[in-house]
Amino acid sequence: GAVVSQHPSRVICKSGTSVKIECRSLDFQATTMFWYRQFPKQSLMLMATSNEGSKATYEQGVEKDKFLINHASLTLSTLTVTSAHPEDSSFYICSARSSLGQETQYFGPGTRLLVL
Amino acid sequence: QKEVEQNSGPLSVPEGAIASLNCTYSDRGSQSFFWYRQYSGKSPELIMFIYSNGDKEDGRFTAQLNKASQYVSLLIRDSQPSDSATYLCAVNAPQGGSEKLVFGKGMKLTVNP
Repeated sequence: GAVVSQHPSRVICKSGTSVKIECRSLDFQATTMFWYRQFPKQSLMLMATSNEGSKATYEQGVEKDKFLINHASLTLSTLTVTSAHPEDSSFYICSARSSLGQETQYFGPGTRLLVL
Repeated sequence: QKEVEQNSGPLSVPEGAIASLNCTYSDRGSQSFFWYRQYSGKSPELIMFIYSNGDKEDGRFTAQLNKASQYVSLLIRDSQPSDSATYLCAVNAPQGGSEKLVFGKGMKLTVNP
């Protein structure tokens, strides 16, 4: 149980394009999903908290207009990196927390983004 | 500023030894504590969670929590080369009804055959 998937696993795009990453909880409903970013040899950095049916809460320093988050259902959240630039190249990882009130976060496999 | 501190390591132990990973946290309001393992190039994988003071054992892994000292640890018995990874300590941070986890920077463990 507690499986979280992400798609795509890897994406290469040109500078200026937008990239959408999907995060799905496969066997449980997730009222809350989290989006993280991790640069090489660095720790996880929380970007935003996504609650189903409401606006995401962004961490300080994360541009909400650049990183669009949509959490339209209890099993799907999307992160769109708009007008991506090379400095946005990173490992993007989502996690999901069960709607049963448990606090455990289960991570997706991550999406590696390379912006040329 | 809620903080979670881990020794950055790296920690190197021989195969079969006990690996001890430690973590301290600053927020006394934290109630939930997690250990994640992250292999290079992969996303974190939950190993254990602990809510109550004392020890919690799961196979070769034991989590220890001391809320008075704001300290949580992970012991790995009979360490295997496959345990070589970065271990992340995470602590919940109740914040305005939307709880998030605060992660330590991780401790890299190498188990030598």
